[in-house]
Amino acid sequence: KQEVTQIPAALSVPEGENLVLNCSFTDSAIYNLQWFRQDPGKGLTSLLLIQSSQREQTSGRLNASLDKSSGRSTLYIAASQPGDSATYLCAVEGNTPLVFGKGTRLSVIA
Amino acid sequence: GAVVSQHPSRVICKSGTSVKIECRSLDFQATTMFWYRQFPKKSLMLMATSNEGSKATYEQGVEKDKFLINHASLTLSTLTVTSAHPEDSSFYICSAMTGYGGFYEQYFGPGTRLTVT
Repeated sequence: KQEVTQIPAALSVPEGENLVLNCSFTDSAIYNLQWFRQDPGKGLTSLLLIQSSQREQTSGRLNASLDKSSGRSTLYIAASQPGDSATYLCAVEGNTPLVFGKGTRLSVIA
Repeated sequence: GAVVSQHPSRVICKSGTSVKIECRSLDFQATTMFWYRQFPKKSLMLMATSNEGSKATYEQGVEKDKFLINHASLTLSTLTVTSAHPEDSSFYICSAMTGYGGFYEQYFGPGTRLTVT
């Protein structure tokens, strides 16, 4: 059974810092891994999708990497801003439907 | 822990027919439920936000007359794909949100795979 873990559960950083969010999964037989952003009371917003054959994806200040063999992904946020404050979730798709981690709650302090 | 169910888990229908998908929060009340769809090899995309007792809020590009959402109670939301066409074939996932005071958690259903022939 696929399990997805996100560390840390919460993170608070000063504005301008670069930061890394971690996601690990137990079954490496995945099709893709997705990172999402969740603002309080809102639905998920898709950030990045990494196919199983890819090692990383970039969008603006965000960079996501995937090491399928070790069951790990990281989301790197450069030059963090207060507007980046949200909960970030990763999810993996494999032979089972999407499995989500519990998220990392990020606070960027101005 | 909080459990969200979806029914059916898989459905095949003919073009032109309508299909209803149910999303239930089994052990908690959810004032807000979300509907997402995922095309093969694509990211999960939010379709609409469903609030109990009020009209759903649809994301840009989602046809509200085609994807009818009814949030009849605090534990049930339904998505009806009307006059389905093959391009509607997709994986539909719902989630139910609980929480207060700025702290919310979202729990996801197992998804419904719709195939329109």
